[in-house]
Amino acid sequence: RKEVEQDPGPFNVPEGATVAFNCTYSNSASQSFFWYRQDCRKEPKLLMSVYSSGNEDGRFTAQLNRASQYISLLIRDSKLSDSATYLCVVNIKGKSTFGDGTTLTVKP
Amino acid sequence: ETGVTQSPTHLIKTRGQQVTLRCSSQSGHNTVSWYQQALGQGPQFIFQYYREEENGRGNFPPRFSGLQFPNYSSELNVNALELDDSALYLCATRPGTEAREQYFGPGTRLTVT
Repeated sequence: RKEVEQDPGPFNVPEGATVAFNCTYSNSASQSFFWYRQDCRKEPKLLMSVYSSGNEDGRFTAQLNRASQYISLLIRDSKLSDSATYLCVVNIKGKSTFGDGTTLTVKP
Repeated sequence: ETGVTQSPTHLIKTRGQQVTLRCSSQSGHNTVSWYQQALGQGPQFIFQYYREEENGRGNFPPRFSGLQFPNYSSELNVNALELDDSALYLCATRPGTEAREQYFGPGTRLTVT
C-alpha cells in the first residue's frame, strides 16, 4: 500500500463545474499537508497548505481529517486554466511524500 | 519563478554510465531535497541535504549519491545507470529543514538507453 493515495482520475469536467479530489495517507505521525499543482512537463508548484480547521483560497478549499487520515481539495467554478495534475503531499520531519496525482481537464 | 535552477535540462545516457545533475539553491535556502519523478507518478524522495550533510534518505540504492556545497548548491550523482532511472529529476530548496514550503527547480529530464 502506498503511503499517500489519491483518486486515480482523470477528471474531465466542463467549465464552471465543481470538482473534488481526495487523498488518504497511512502514517498517523504525519505533520503537515499540502496540495501542489503540476502542469505538463513542468515542476510542481505549491497550491495551498492544508489545516485541520479547513482553509480556503478563492475558488479552492482544502480540508484535513486527521482521525480518518484524509485530505480533500475542492475547486469551485472550474476554469480552463485549472487543467493540471494535482498532487497531495504529506510531510514527516521534513521529508515529503507525494501521491501520484490526479489529472484534471476542464473543457469549454 | 522560484529562483531555483537546474542543469542540464535534458540528458541522454547509456546504461552503465554515470551522470551528475546540478541544482542552484534560492538565496538563503540551506536545505535541498532531490526527487525522482517517473512518468505518470508523483515525485519520489531520494535524499535531503542540510548545511552540506545528508539528513534524510528515501528508498534509493547507494549508487544514488549527492553533495551540497558551502553556497548551498547541490549535485545528484547516479552511477551504473539503469533503464529504470529514466525520469524527471527535481530538486527543491527551503530555508531550513522545518520550513513548510519548498521551491522546486524546473527539473532535468534524464533518458537512459
